[in-house]
Amino acid sequence: DAGITQSPRYKITETGRQVTLMCHQTWSHSYMFWYRQDLGHGLRLIYYSAAADITDKGEVPDGYVVSRSKTENFPLTLESATRSQTSVYFCASSEGLGLVTEAFFGQGTRLTVV
Amino acid sequence: GQQLNQSPQSMFIQEGEDVSMNCTSSSIFNTWLWYKQEPGEGPVLLIALYKAGELTSSGRLTAQFGITRKDGFLNISASIPSDVGIYFCAGHGYNNAGNMLTFGGGTRLMVKP
Repeated sequence: DAGITQSPRYKITETGRQVTLMCHQTWSHSYMFWYRQDLGHGLRLIYYSAAADITDKGEVPDGYVVSRSKTENFPLTLESATRSQTSVYFCASSEGLGLVTEAFFGQGTRLTVV
Repeated sequence: GQQLNQSPQSMFIQEGEDVSMNCTSSSIFNTWLWYKQEPGEGPVLLIALYKAGELTSSGRLTAQFGITRKDGFLNISASIPSDVGIYFCAGHGYNNAGNMLTFGGGTRLMVKP
């Protein structure tokens, strides 16, 4: 099915472990984003990518790593998870052409770090 | 960095009532959007506005992009239970690198049948 999918939907991990959240989109959108959603903070941008092999930091990048070897995939890795990274993570994509700035979001991954 | 201040943070209203929420910023945006997030889902685009002062309606929703490009509001008329969710304003700024959006903190809407 066309769209943007995230996996897993739920994840519990231990402090210090590495965990990777997956994101896949079928629209061939140029831009992809990772946000985290926390109570009282709304959505905050972690990293974004303008195209394959092009990534850049957002507002809260510390503790995260991203890669974009293929246009359709944009995995987010927590190299050594901390409790402060407990959050709901959303992946999004957009065409990024002209005035088309609407981003389409996945369903989210709820990550708990214990 | 750019920030969007959204209010109110939450609303608990009776079915049938009208709802109004707004966002303000000290920064100028070139595009203004409103998203709705239902429980357990990602945000979904409701309305996008591109021109200063633009007023647009979609069903029971009415939204306006401020003339200064620093604020906007969203109104929902005759609320129904399925309006429940978190509503986010978002702006795409002139100085944004890439195609990033800045989000407000959200307005959590609860509707009592």
